[in-house]
Amino acid sequence: DIQMTQSPSTLAAYVGDRVTITCRASQSINKWLAWYQQKPGKAPKLLISKASNLEDGVPERFSGTGSGTEFTLTISSLQPDDFATYYCQKCNTSPYTFGQGTKVEIK
Amino acid sequence: QVQLVQSGAEVKAPGSSVKVSCKASGGPFNTYAIGWMRQAPGQGPEWMGGIIPMFPTPNHAQKFQGRVTISADESTTTVYMELTSLTSEDTAVYYCARAKYDSSGYDSWGLGTLVIVSS
Repeated sequence: DIQMTQSPSTLAAYVGDRVTITCRASQSINKWLAWYQQKPGKAPKLLISKASNLEDGVPERFSGTGSGTEFTLTISSLQPDDFATYYCQKCNTSPYTFGQGTKVEIK
Repeated sequence: QVQLVQSGAEVKAPGSSVKVSCKASGGPFNTYAIGWMRQAPGQGPEWMGGIIPMFPTPNHAQKFQGRVTISADESTTTVYMELTSLTSEDTAVYYCARAKYDSSGYDSWGLGTLVIVSS
């Protein structure tokens, strides 16, 4: 099975910072990658599909890039509501494995 | 947008089974994949399996081979996930979610069902 590895596992940043999270697949998944945001006690929320397609209603400060095996999620200017845990997920073939997550904390 | 309503929390004994339901409303049912994920305390989501209701054959992660059954009832627009031979490691919040039309991510999620396995 293809493994998904995120880095870093934890990230401390200030409001207004530019933040980048990386997700690597152990084999190529083309652009079949989704990014989610999860807050404590809530279900994950889809932010980006197909590596770079921003979901309706998601602020434009979120962006995704990449293809093949390396992907990034960038928050251009971190806002208080963005402190959460972020997960990537491969969506090409099953199993639709998630990364282990990146927790974005307030610095 | 589709709404997914899951059944309530369960406390189960080790070795028993649990069946969680997920009723869909407000959108197409038969043609969109419904997936099941679980999330153990302090861990990330884990994809368990899924089903497209119009196709009778679900798929599931190899890890759950022989223990998980995913089914759909088109008449009630409800998807079920049954997990057998429960151990304490199955204690988690179980989520159902509907995939986008091209299965490029899960864009509608249920609120989750807490399953506690304890003697």
